[in-house]
Amino acid sequence: NAGVTQTPKFQVLKTGQSMTLQCAQDMNHNSMYWYRQDPGMGLRLIYYSASEGTTDKGEVPNGYNVSRLNKREFSLRLESAAPSQTSVYFCATVRRISTDTQYFGPGTRLTVL
Amino acid sequence: TQLLEQSPQFLSIQEGENLTVYCNSSSVFSSLQWYRQEPGEGPVLLVTVVTGGEVKKLKRLTFQFGDARKDSSLHITAAQPGDTGLYLCAGDEVDYKLSFGAGTTVTVRA
Repeated sequence: NAGVTQTPKFQVLKTGQSMTLQCAQDMNHNSMYWYRQDPGMGLRLIYYSASEGTTDKGEVPNGYNVSRLNKREFSLRLESAAPSQTSVYFCATVRRISTDTQYFGPGTRLTVL
Repeated sequence: TQLLEQSPQFLSIQEGENLTVYCNSSSVFSSLQWYRQEPGEGPVLLVTVVTGGEVKKLKRLTFQFGDARKDSSLHITAAQPGDTGLYLCAGDEVDYKLSFGAGTTVTVRA
């Protein structure tokens, strides 16, 4: 089992370009999350999907959109990238409720020039 | 504004020494989790504490949840270089969400 996979691992964009970060899990978990991690800021929640067919905003949703394609996949889209979106992005999954273990992917390191 | 405040931000100690990391909040959490993250990887769960006053031990790591469920601490006894990493606490908010602290970077020198 791969657990939680993320693609790409690294990406460099120019300001204004768009891209989609992909996340897939083979753990049959219901809930999926997108976080960004910046130095000194910890992990901040961008969007989450409590179950297939639902998505909700987290703490820092501006500039992002998400799609819960099916139970396995949850994508994060940057429509018009800005330098402030330079960060490391993590996808996480949890079986059902947040007191369960969150399993994180390896991260996508994004640089916006 | 960070809901959970972690201290210290950085900690560098010699192998064999003890260390304590603190996680404090003005909010009450139904549970609190501790994660460790190594460079280039995602965080990995160490422990979940649920009951106020709870103490959990994981080999040389001791986790404590405050009586009021607003704070927690992580104590490492006789630290080893393998304990080096970023330690994150996370509190359980409503609606499936966790709120993370900014993290404590621990370096254990051989």
